[in-house]
Amino acid sequence: RKEVEQDPGPFNVPEGATVAFNCTYSNSASQSFFWYRQDCRKEPKLLMSVYSSGNEDGRFTAQLNRASQYISLLIRDSKLSDSATYLCVVNIPEWRTGTASKLTFGTGTRLQVTL
Amino acid sequence: NAGVTQTPKFQVLKTGQSMTLQCAQDMNHEYMSWYRQDPGMGLRLIHYSVGAGITDQGEVPNGYNVSRSTTEDFPLRLLSAAPSQTSVYFCASSRDRSNYGYTFGSGTRLTVV
Repeated sequence: RKEVEQDPGPFNVPEGATVAFNCTYSNSASQSFFWYRQDCRKEPKLLMSVYSSGNEDGRFTAQLNRASQYISLLIRDSKLSDSATYLCVVNIPEWRTGTASKLTFGTGTRLQVTL
Repeated sequence: NAGVTQTPKFQVLKTGQSMTLQCAQDMNHEYMSWYRQDPGMGLRLIHYSVGAGITDQGEVPNGYNVSRSTTEDFPLRLLSAAPSQTSVYFCASSRDRSNYGYTFGSGTRLTVV
């Protein structure tokens, strides 16, 4: 089982729609969670951190469900400019070296917003 | 601020050649890392460094070397290029390795023929 799993999509939605992505992670000891956005042929960029109580940044809402080990990202009122791949990122405790955990990236969910 | 600067942006190598991918950051970040991104595989960690003089292997280190002589620079060396190393390489830095978001460089597209 992959450490971080995402539906690859693509999710094709019309402009103005609400769309949600889920991501599951395998290690219950994970402590930090993030969503990144990656445009075609560009580098990933941090979209938002995900907090236990849930958090919102404009049209974007992130939720964490520790019991079920999944993270979600909700995008309201989708814009054409939201078209990108969204990467779920989780810190995975690294037992091999006994040192601090490292961030592990999901393979991403592709979103295409259309007119 | 320049953030994380990677050079070159594109490179074509012949099998067996060696080269160094450069990465520099101006944010005084302690943590730096190299990832490769392949279709369907996501970002995979090659090597990382938690500070000057300290490096460690990630999940796919074979065929690559790194060093960290200064806080700012973290070059990645391909010792003897193979077609399997054709990929997009990203350098990233962060205040620490797990609790803060990473800033990525713009990437190097490497083709080994």
